[in-house]
Amino acid sequence: KQEVTQIPAALSVPEGENLVLNCSFTDSAIYNLQWFRQDPGKGLTSLLLIQSSQREQTSGRLNASLDKSSGRSTLYIAASQPGDSATYLCAVGAYSGAGSYQLTFGKGTKLSVIP
Amino acid sequence: GAGVSQSPSNKVTEKGKDVELRCDPISGHTALYWYRQSLGQGLEFLIYFQGNSAPDKSGLPSDRFSAERTGGSVSTLTIQRTQQEDSAVYLCASSVTGVDGYTFGSGTRLTVV
Repeated sequence: KQEVTQIPAALSVPEGENLVLNCSFTDSAIYNLQWFRQDPGKGLTSLLLIQSSQREQTSGRLNASLDKSSGRSTLYIAASQPGDSATYLCAVGAYSGAGSYQLTFGKGTKLSVIP
Repeated sequence: GAGVSQSPSNKVTEKGKDVELRCDPISGHTALYWYRQSLGQGLEFLIYFQGNSAPDKSGLPSDRFSAERTGGSVSTLTIQRTQQEDSAVYLCASSVTGVDGYTFGSGTRLTVV
């Protein structure tokens, strides 16, 4: 059974700092990996999707990397802003034994950017 | 619609009552998921619909939970004889093919008292 772990569980940084969020997964037979953002009381917003054949994806100040063989992904946020404060979730997509595609989520990293 | 719509946004129900949660996916999206997010916990997979295929129900926690998707569009998650441990935020997501990026709704916060 796929397990996804995110470290740290919470992170507080001053505005302007660059930061890295970590995600690890136990089964490297994945199809893709997604990073999401969740604001309090809201649903999830998709940030980046990395296919298993890719090494990284970039969107604005965000860069996500994937090392499938070691079961790791990182989300790099450059020049953090107070508006980046949210919970960041990593989700691994893979086919189950029954042949259906499933997303397995980590518990998230709660980020606070202090003005 | 422009996004995934879920209703109601909040539901308070008495223990033992049945509840129905609704999800309107983005038009044209063939794949639809239901997840449950309990306080302080990660997202728990419940059920997955893909086109006309039989749904993957492997995540449903008990036979009190059921879901259907009519006409390949709207989905309803039904919880019978609700228990306090059913209290959570129920999230719905859809995607075009099932293996691409997912769009989530804002969720239904269910409180069983």
